[in-house]
Amino acid sequence: EVQLVESGGDFIQPGRSLRLSCAASGFTFADYAMSWFRQSPEKGLEWLGFIRRTRSGATTEYSASVEGRITMSRDDSKSVAYLQLNSLTTGDTGIYYCARAPKSIAISNYFDSWGRGVLVTVSS
Amino acid sequence: DLQMTQSPSSLSASIGDRVTITCQTSKNVGNSLNWYQFKPGKAPKLLIHSASTLQSGVPSRFTGGGSGTDFTLTISSLQSEDFATYYCQQSSRSPLFSFGQGTKLDIK
Repeated sequence: EVQLVESGGDFIQPGRSLRLSCAASGFTFADYAMSWFRQSPEKGLEWLGFIRRTRSGATTEYSASVEGRITMSRDDSKSVAYLQLNSLTTGDTGIYYCARAPKSIAISNYFDSWGRGVLVTVSS
Repeated sequence: DLQMTQSPSSLSASIGDRVTITCQTSKNVGNSLNWYQFKPGKAPKLLIHSASTLQSGVPSRFTGGGSGTDFTLTISSLQSEDFATYYCQQSSRSPLFSFGQGTKLDIK
């Protein structure tokens, strides 16, 4: 069974950094691109970033809304994808989801499996 | 930037009803339009990709249509498990992977 499990969410103070993990199982992680999304009442559903397969260079695309603060990475040996987001503000509060994409190109792609999400609350 | 307009924002319907949700994009996205189902506490689910391709394992009562700027998601006969929030998503233009505002479908 395909499974994605996010972890690392918690209460975080403004100005600090967030590092989330997405543990994959039930499929060959290296064959898929990965993305991170978040959901909040204020901003709805937002795409944050996309990382291609390692054999495609593991290159990344980031949303302009978080560009400069975000780093995505992956470790195929552990089947884990990572999200780091720096200089957090209250506007970064939300449920963060990882999802897999079957194509390594961003255009015309889609996300065929998702995790249940992890709540991140940025508050002093 | 591309704008996405999804309607209605909420919808009340009964078991067995046929419902249609629409998604309009401000620019041509070809067939790069996907539909997802969200339920609280559960992993979101891909229903339709590439405008009209039913994702494996998704019941055939779900149908996607349209191309260019106007798209639809139709549920032919609502079942109890279909009460959820539905989102369209485009993957053609900047901002990449943007979503509609969502349609909350609940029981009448």
